[in-house]
Amino acid sequence: GESVGLHLPTLSVQEGDNSIINCAYSNSASDYFIWYKQESGKGPQFIIDIRSNMDKRQGQRVTVLLNKTVKHLSLQIAATQPGDSAVYFCAENRPNTDKLIFGTGTRLQVFP
Amino acid sequence: DTEVTQTPKHLVMGMTNKKSLKCEQHMGHRAMYWYKQKAKKPPELMFVYSYEKLSINESVPSRFSPECPNSSLLNLHLHALQPEDSALYLCASSQYDRDNSPLHFGNGTRLTVT
Repeated sequence: GESVGLHLPTLSVQEGDNSIINCAYSNSASDYFIWYKQESGKGPQFIIDIRSNMDKRQGQRVTVLLNKTVKHLSLQIAATQPGDSAVYFCAENRPNTDKLIFGTGTRLQVFP
Repeated sequence: DTEVTQTPKHLVMGMTNKKSLKCEQHMGHRAMYWYKQKAKKPPELMFVYSYEKLSINESVPSRFSPECPNSSLLNLHLHALQPEDSALYLCASSQYDRDNSPLHFGNGTRLTVT
């Protein structure tokens, strides 16, 4: 399943499928990007990050892709599990500042 | 469990009350942050402290007053709040002596202003 994370949409995927969560960031000068997972009643939890000099970075079951030409970031989750159900936020770091700005988020629902 | 601890977890206060939110981290991070999050919205930056000095205030109303007593502690003093200030208040920290390090968040204080 795939979504565009601009208005807190919901992405529903079946357990075991791959998920793709998309994010359009706003500032072409942003140099560092992070994906966070937020479960109900908890704070955002770091998943994976990527610097602007990279196009792709892989973690455990997750991959982040960065397309600077179109200011687009995506998070791929392999073999999605029920524990992956949460709201996912991308965040961009404004250069030469301490500001980390969050995108609007995407809710991921995993059904059996 | 998060390495950033926030207290209290829940707080209900009247518009004339004075209260404080507390945040603590022991990761040796030198930058600390306050974010505000309304329901179904992303966290919004309020304040940033770097090396215990206020470096960013995102035009936050003066009824919110941050304080950083030392490198491990961050407080947010609240006075004369409005019902629309009800939200989840998140504290975060990051390494400051390294370019591009992620923020580590606490689980927040759920604030209700009556």
